[in-house]
Amino acid sequence: QSVLTQPPSVSGAPGQRVTISCTGSSSNTGAGYDVHWYQLFPGTAPKLLIYGNSNRPSGVPDRFSGSKSGTSASLAITGLQAEDEGDYYCQSYDITLSGSVFGGGTKVTVL
Amino acid sequence: QVQLQESGPGLVKSSETLSLTCTVSGDSITNYYWSWVRLPRGKGLEWIGYIHYSGSSNYNPSLKSRVTISVDTSKNQFSLNLNSVTAADTAVYYCARLEYRSGWLLSSWGQGTLVTVSS
Repeated sequence: QSVLTQPPSVSGAPGQRVTISCTGSSSNTGAGYDVHWYQLFPGTAPKLLIYGNSNRPSGVPDRFSGSKSGTSASLAITGLQAEDEGDYYCQSYDITLSGSVFGGGTKVTVL
Repeated sequence: QVQLQESGPGLVKSSETLSLTCTVSGDSITNYYWSWVRLPRGKGLEWIGYIHYSGSSNYNPSLKSRVTISVDTSKNQFSLNLNSVTAADTAVYYCARLEYRSGWLLSSWGQGTLVTVSS
């Protein structure tokens, strides 16, 4: 059971918008710690997609956006493309663990 | 551009010790914190722990009794030792660079290495 809660899967047609939620608790996201998002494809290095709730590292398309309110954060992908099909994880800091915590991951499927 | 590469045995026998090394290139290991994360099949990412070249470290409480992370600045490498392994430790193991940028985040990752624990 992951500390942060994500839906197991989301899907959408090419060009559509999908969102992934990430819900934590008072010891992590609810304590004000920022949420970061990663994109995982099999056999390749995971990639930092969004940091500090809503910031994109250089090179990340602006189709990807993030937000946070209270204990929950969201990742949105607009203009969904076939190459976006993969697994997405949220991550934050937990004061109880004094370390990182992750969501269970969400598989994005492009229909 | 920093690059990280995991290396080590892909098969470990139950009750023995899993040992992996991460070689960092393109950056000095003294500039950041460094972390290990794993992805068990069918499950989510799990933070294992981190280390700083100064020796400062911290581990996931669920693994703390079995984990040691160390750093070798002369080789620009850091390592993971996980003892008394069981089938539950079968996973893809990633090494990553840990930095503070609007919160603690993992800014660069290795491609991961699958470690299978056999009975």
